[in-house]
Amino acid sequence: AQSVTQLGSHVSVSEGALVLLRCNYSSSVPPYLFWYVQYPNQGLQLLLKYTTGATLVKGINGFEAEFKKSETSFHLTKPSAHMSDAAEYFCPSKNKIIFGKGTRLHILP
Amino acid sequence: EAEVAQSPRYKITEKSQAVAFWCDPISGHATLYWYRQILGQGPELLVQFQDESVVDDSQLPKDRFSAERLKGVDSTLKIQPAELGDSAMYLCASSWERLAGGDTDTQYFGPGTRLTVL
Repeated sequence: AQSVTQLGSHVSVSEGALVLLRCNYSSSVPPYLFWYVQYPNQGLQLLLKYTTGATLVKGINGFEAEFKKSETSFHLTKPSAHMSDAAEYFCPSKNKIIFGKGTRLHILP
Repeated sequence: EAEVAQSPRYKITEKSQAVAFWCDPISGHATLYWYRQILGQGPELLVQFQDESVVDDSQLPKDRFSAERLKGVDSTLKIQPAELGDSAMYLCASSWERLAGGDTDTQYFGPGTRLTVL
């Protein structure tokens, strides 16, 4: 069975700096991988997903993630952080039923 | 753009009272999920429906929680009686998937109902 691990429950970056949120998976089969974002007091929203095809996936709000099979990773990046990116980010498991605790992104002015 | 609707957005109740939450998924979505999210944690699946049938309710505390989706469209989640530990955000999501445990389809979430039990 596939599982995913998010590294870091809290990440702080300065406004304008690179955002890197880490997600590693373990699976014996090609994975389907997702990143969701949750802004305060709101539901979750899909940022991007990888199913098949191109390993670099572009999502909304300038985010992208690259599926690296050799590293079993699906890290989320954004070149330049904006204050509005402050939120909780989730990289759920294959069946999307287990979200884990997520990573809270703090943006420093 | 179509959205998942939930009501109420906020609910305050006293312990031992009954509460109910309503969810209207995006039109045509076969699968509906109810999640509970305790502050500081990720969503935890309570129940999953495909059309009007329950696919997974293994994490639903059935002594006090019940869920239904009678006509395979909107859904109601009920807690009776409410306990202090039930204070949380209750999220509803829907997706197109007709396969149980479908893996590739996007889930669309509603804004949630924040429950406070006093």
